[in-house]
Amino acid sequence: EIVLTQSPGTLSLSPGERATLSCRASQSVISSYLAWYQQKPGQAPRLLIYATSGRATGIPDRFSGSGSGTDFTLTISRLEPEDFAVYYCQQYGSSPRTFGQGTKVEIK
Amino acid sequence: EVQMLVSGGGLVQPGGSLRLSCATSGFSFISHDMSWVRQAPGKGLDWVASVSVSGVTTDYADSVKGRFTISIDRSKDTLFLQMSALTAEDTAMYFCAKEGLLGATTGTFWDWGQGTLVTVSS
Repeated sequence: EIVLTQSPGTLSLSPGERATLSCRASQSVISSYLAWYQQKPGQAPRLLIYATSGRATGIPDRFSGSGSGTDFTLTISRLEPEDFAVYYCQQYGSSPRTFGQGTKVEIK
Repeated sequence: EVQMLVSGGGLVQPGGSLRLSCATSGFSFISHDMSWVRQAPGKGLDWVASVSVSGVTTDYADSVKGRFTISIDRSKDTLFLQMSALTAEDTAMYFCAKEGLLGATTGTFWDWGQGTLVTVSS
């Protein structure tokens, strides 16, 4: 099973700042099948990014993904008030599909 | 508009059973693999089970294999999760999810239902 480790655990930033979230895999993610989800309190997760860098339907272009192999990054170029949430990475190149433990982006 | 209405959660005693339902609309149910993902209180996300578009192929996390059964009713566009031999470790919010359809999106959880809370306690 591929273990995904996200860092940092919590990111304290102000609106307008740039957020950089990391996801490291215990082994190479096949086909770079790495996704990112956003979850707000009391809500279901929402898919943001698929296959490392593809934006899901309706996702603003301030969200971007990059990486390969075992190291992946989600970047939010300029934080909007609605972006403060928990973010999870997920790999789907190998079975079982696994998630990271999450990074909370909070208002500084 | 994609809608997935999850129901069936509640309080159940250890060793008990529960059946979750996910009634869907707004998309071609017969075209998408479907999954259940759970989230223990205050914790992260864990994939639980998946079923293929045909309903024939299923896959389970090791933690639920032999105790949970995923199925679909194509006549009702509904996904189910039959859970038995429940333990406290199964306490979680259970989400149903529609999987991505094409190429590099296959294997992602493209849309999610709102979730239902399952609490296993005596």
